[in-house]
Amino acid sequence: DAGVIQSPRHEVTEMGQEVTLRCKPISGHNSLFWYRQTMMRGLELLIYFNNNVPIDDSGMPEDRFSAKMPNASFSTLKIQPSEPRDSAVYFCASSPRDSQETQYFGPGTRLLVL
Amino acid sequence: AQSVTQLDSHVSVSEGTPVLLRCNYSSSYSPSLFWYVQHPNKGLQLLLKYTSAATLVKGINGFEAEFKKSETSFHLTKPSAHMSDAAEYFCVVSPLFSGGYNKLIFGAGTRLAVHP
Repeated sequence: DAGVIQSPRHEVTEMGQEVTLRCKPISGHNSLFWYRQTMMRGLELLIYFNNNVPIDDSGMPEDRFSAKMPNASFSTLKIQPSEPRDSAVYFCASSPRDSQETQYFGPGTRLLVL
Repeated sequence: AQSVTQLDSHVSVSEGTPVLLRCNYSSSYSPSLFWYVQHPNKGLQLLLKYTSAATLVKGINGFEAEFKKSETSFHLTKPSAHMSDAAEYFCVVSPLFSGGYNKLIFGAGTRLAVHP
């Protein structure tokens, strides 16, 4: 099993640019989560999908952030326009139907907005 | 509100000595509790989980944790530290009633350093 796959692993961009982060969950998992990790705020849940449907997006910071899950094997997190305060590590995680408490994390995308 | 408090932000031990990482939780109901580990520049990996079965939970790499309801604690231990244990450790609570899904609430993390 390849695990959760995220791309890119590192992203450096300039303020105002659009950033798209990608995630491929583990095959067969029906829940997908996007997290953000910063030194100041630790790990924060941004959004949760179940069966490709967004269930809880209360953690999405503001309208500049959007997430989609067009099918069971792909999700994107988009930031438009990006700001320096968005610099963080963004993790995607997935969990299986029969053990939804156990989340499997991807390696993360380290984003730096200059 | 559900929360976890990791009592130490940094712990330093010598190789071969015991490890103790402390965690207290706050929950109105019987929660599920987890420990995750994050090695440098890596994602989080599940070490172990407690879901109301045995109070002493064994995990990977020789780690274990004991659920103590009377103390609202879920401390992580290992008898003998190895250099490869150096990482950040997160205590996590997943309350039973959280909007119908298993939301994970993370502690601030404890950074474990292991010295030769």
